[in-house]
Amino acid sequence: KNEVEQSPQNLTAQEGEFITINCSYSVGISALHWLQQHPGGGIVSLFMLSSGKKKHGRLIATINIQEKHSSLHITASHPRDSAVYICAVRPTGTASKLTFGTGTRLQVTL
Amino acid sequence: EAQVTQNPRYLITVTGKKLTVTCSQNMNHEYMSWYRQDPGLGLRQIYYSMNVEVTDKGDVPEGYKVSRKEKRNFPLILESPSPNQTSLYFCASRPRGQAILPQWGYTFGSGTRLTVV
Repeated sequence: KNEVEQSPQNLTAQEGEFITINCSYSVGISALHWLQQHPGGGIVSLFMLSSGKKKHGRLIATINIQEKHSSLHITASHPRDSAVYICAVRPTGTASKLTFGTGTRLQVTL
Repeated sequence: EAQVTQNPRYLITVTGKKLTVTCSQNMNHEYMSWYRQDPGLGLRQIYYSMNVEVTDKGDVPEGYKVSRKEKRNFPLILESPSPNQTSLYFCASRPRGQAILPQWGYTFGSGTRLTVV
């Protein structure tokens, strides 16, 4: 079993829909990252969080440390949100070690 | 512009011929890392560095070497490449400490697609 599990693996939505991507992990962590990988391959860091909730534009990330679970929400989705979203965790006691989920492929259609 | 620069973007090489993939960042970040990405396996960490002369192994370090002689540079060295090192490689950096703004996480390079024949 992977230390980081994402669901769903694939997701298709219509423009304007509210989207949720989930990430569960099995180890103690000091931080969790959400990344976005564009169809061209480039990777962008969306959030780094260790507790609570963060918001940036139409994106919201939440984390529940006790339940070892994080969610990434996209409000009012748009075709330009189509990408692979990757969850990564930094285990407790490490400064820069990351373990990744295998990603959620999102396609937003008109 | 704040960025992580990787070179080359594409490389085809033969088994056993030593190569270096360069990574440079202009943000004065303490932490730098190398990852490889393979279909079905996702991203995996190869090596990371917490500062100059401080490096440590990630999950898949076999067959790779790194060095951090200067804060801005973190080259990845394949002393004797093999076909199973064919992959998409990413370098990334981040500053020490908590991210105050949501986007203050890792900055990734554009990737290096390596093929070893």
